[in-house]
Amino acid sequence: NAGVTQTPKFQVLKTGQSMTLQCAQDMNHNSMYWYRQDPGMGLRLIYYSASEGTTDKGEVPNGYNVSRLNKREFSLRLESAAPSQTSVYFCASRGDSGYTFGSGTRLTVV
Amino acid sequence: GIQVEQSPPDLILQEGANSTLRCNFSDSVNNLQWFHQNPWGQLINLFYIPSGTKQNGRLSATTVATERYSLLYISSSQTTDSGVYFCAVATAGGYNKLIFGAGTRLAVHP
Repeated sequence: NAGVTQTPKFQVLKTGQSMTLQCAQDMNHNSMYWYRQDPGMGLRLIYYSASEGTTDKGEVPNGYNVSRLNKREFSLRLESAAPSQTSVYFCASRGDSGYTFGSGTRLTVV
Repeated sequence: GIQVEQSPPDLILQEGANSTLRCNFSDSVNNLQWFHQNPWGQLINLFYIPSGTKQNGRLSATTVATERYSLLYISSSQTTDSGVYFCAVATAGGYNKLIFGAGTRLAVHP
């Protein structure tokens, strides 16, 4: 099925560890996005990529880096995880009919 | 930046009841979507509706762009409709970054 695929679905990290969240879409969309969702809140934009080779900061970029590897893939990296980064992370891509979201990665930093 | 306000914040219904959720936004938009976040955390795209009216089964939505609001109608509610409903908008000037409202939490009881 066409859509946005995120891996992993769940992850527990210790404070200071690093990890990369992977995202891939097969809809040939140019724009891709990373959001985080904290309890009781809507989604907040971390980083986005308007096209292959470009990335820009969103509302809450501190502590994160991104890579737009090619048109399909957009990864999010935590270099030194902190408890404040415990959250659910969603990747999305945007086409002519709006955004499509992945199923999310639930990350816990202890 | 653009503000998105959703009402009501919480809604409790008996199965079979109808409801209307509202989304107000503070600026012109070129993208408006309604999402349902189910109890498992998945974000399901219900409607891409920057203007006009659409219907999909028991759900319908209307956006009046000139008056900066959108309505989501749920008829004959079912327990599977429970979850959080998000309205999200984007403006052309902001690289089409999707900005989310705080959501309406719906609980449908049998």
